Amino acid sequence: EILLTQSPGTLSLSPGEGASLSCRASQSVATRNLAWYQQKNGQAPRLLIFGTSSRATGIPDRFSGSGSGTDFTLTIGRLEPEDFAVYYCQQYGNSPYTFGQGTKLEI
Amino acid sequence: EVQLVQSGAEVKKPGESLRISCKGAGYKFTNYWISWVRQMPGKGLEWMGRIDPSNSNTDFSPSFQGHVTLSADKSISTAYLQWSSLKASDTATYYCARQVSLNWFDPWGQGTLVTVSS
Repeated sequence: EILLTQSPGTLSLSPGEGASLSCRASQSVATRNLAWYQQKNGQAPRLLIFGTSSRATGIPDRFSGSGSGTDFTLTIGRLEPEDFAVYYCQQYGNSPYTFGQGTKLEI
Repeated sequence: EVQLVQSGAEVKKPGESLRISCKGAGYKFTNYWISWVRQMPGKGLEWMGRIDPSNSNTDFSPSFQGHVTLSADKSISTAYLQWSSLKASDTATYYCARQVSLNWFDPWGQGTLVTVSS
């Protein structure tokens, strides 16, 4: 089972600032097999990024993903108020699929 | 619009059985696997398993194998997650999600809150 470790656990920022969220895998993950999801309080997760760097339909271009091997990053440029949420990375290349424990982005 | 609509919240007692549902709309249901994800109160996401609605083949996380059953009725575009004997530790929100090209999950259902309490 591939373990994903996200850091930091909580990130406190202000609207207008940029954010960098990290996801580290216990073994190499192919870039095509890494996604990021956003979950707002009381809502279902929403796909943001798939294949490490491809934005899902309707996702603003202030969201970008990068990385390879065991280190992946979600970058959010110029935070908007609606961006404050919990973010999860996921690998779907090897069953069982696994999620990171999440990074809470708070104001 | 592609969407997954889940059944409503449930309150059950330990030892009771339960089946919750996930209905797909806006796409060919048999072309995509459906995954189920657990989120315990205040916690993160855990992948439970998935089902291919075209033939009901399943794939489980070892953590959930033998504890739940997945099924699907392709005639009504609906997938199911079932327990035969609930425990208090099954209290959680359960999400279904469509697996795109055997890869990422999109979209997700709205979630079903299951509360197990005596």
